[in-house]
Amino acid sequence: GAGVSQSPSNKVTEKGKDVELRCDPISGHTALYWYRQSLGQGLEFLIYFQGNSAPDKSGLPSDRFSAERTGGSVSTLTIQRTQQEDSAVYLCASSFWGADTQYFGPGTRLTVL
Amino acid sequence: AQRVTQPEKLLSVFKGAPVELKCNYSYSGSPELFWYVQYSRQRLQLLLRHISRESIKGFTADLNKGETSFHLKKPFAQEEDSAMYYCALSARTGANNLFFGTGTRLTVIP
Repeated sequence: GAGVSQSPSNKVTEKGKDVELRCDPISGHTALYWYRQSLGQGLEFLIYFQGNSAPDKSGLPSDRFSAERTGGSVSTLTIQRTQQEDSAVYLCASSFWGADTQYFGPGTRLTVL
Repeated sequence: AQRVTQPEKLLSVFKGAPVELKCNYSYSGSPELFWYVQYSRQRLQLLLRHISRESIKGFTADLNKGETSFHLKKPFAQEEDSAMYYCALSARTGANNLFFGTGTRLTVIP
């Protein structure tokens, strides 16, 4: 079946602009995760959804970052007033439930000029 | 706090040689450990997890709680093993999110 999809695959924006990144999880997966991979760094956890609720937002680096999930499916990660340090690959993953194997999307490469 | 350390950023071995990718972790509880792999131009995918005790593509990894290690091993490296390998830890509580190491790029020389 179809895997996790993310859009756009690449996004170039100017400092100070807002961006929205989209994630379509595998159908039926209730858990959804956002991670970020900055140059030379490992993957960094941002936020977790179980259904539509986000019980763990501890990884969001600042209040410029927010995320929502609707209908227990699609999720959007929004970054307001982007900064150059936000440049990274943003990865989405989903799983059947919190303890199951996470399946990753191809990522969105964000470049902030 | 959880931490995963992969001491080698780059590792090169000859085809047919044994390979070991090191991973050490710190966590006060009882974690679950994973190895993820990313081949060129492909997405990150699970290679193996310690609770499964499987051998995938000839790779094995044993959780050593005394040494807090989860090294990935393969007796005879193949060219198709060239990839980026990430060790990851799950606290198995709450969100069950993964904590990743910084990764090791393995190159198998023909």
